[in-house]
Amino acid sequence: SVLLYQKPNRDICQSGTSLKIQCVADSQVVSMFWYQQFQEQSLMLMATANEGSEATYESGFTKDKFPISRPNLTFSTLTVNNARPGDSSIYFCSSRAGEEVFFGKGTRLTVV
Amino acid sequence: QQKVQQSPESLIVPEGGMASLNCTSSDRNVDYFWWYRQHSGKSPKMLMSIFSNGEKEEGRFTVHLNKASLHTSLHIRDSQPSDSALYLCAGASSGSWQLIFGSGTQLTVMP
Repeated sequence: SVLLYQKPNRDICQSGTSLKIQCVADSQVVSMFWYQQFQEQSLMLMATANEGSEATYESGFTKDKFPISRPNLTFSTLTVNNARPGDSSIYFCSSRAGEEVFFGKGTRLTVV
Repeated sequence: QQKVQQSPESLIVPEGGMASLNCTSSDRNVDYFWWYRQHSGKSPKMLMSIFSNGEKEEGRFTVHLNKASLHTSLHIRDSQPSDSALYLCAGASSGSWQLIFGSGTQLTVMP
């Protein structure tokens, strides 16, 4: 298995500001994935981040709005730029170990 | 249309009863499936995965997969109030670990 630690657990930010969410794995992982979840709804895959290369983004998510860094095999950062109330949701990082995909505990973001 | 579709949206079963949840992929490339359970305010936790035709059982949980129809189902027997949660089905292409999630089934087990 892999344990994924996210920081912060929750945050409140003002509209127009930026927020960084960190994800640290307890072992080296090839890919890290970022998901967005609105209240009690499905998880949407935002992007895939591999070490040393640019993240690949899914439809509806852009590098300008959600830049992702992946400087090494245990760490990734998701930034939410120019935050808007519509970005208020929970952000999860995830990664695979064997045939399982594990999730961090999530970062609950509220934009006011 | 979502690539992974779940039904029903919500389900209420009595304690000790059987809960049956369904999931279908509309994309023939999405033929590996996972079932997750998410309690309110928590992160998703994997229950079971299934990649081949047939059935897998772990304790009170059984999953089926029919690859021809890309349909998987999760059955929970002897349901407990602690099973009340959002159940998410996720699919991916073989070799890809980018999970595509369905919209979930909210299960409530009534004591």
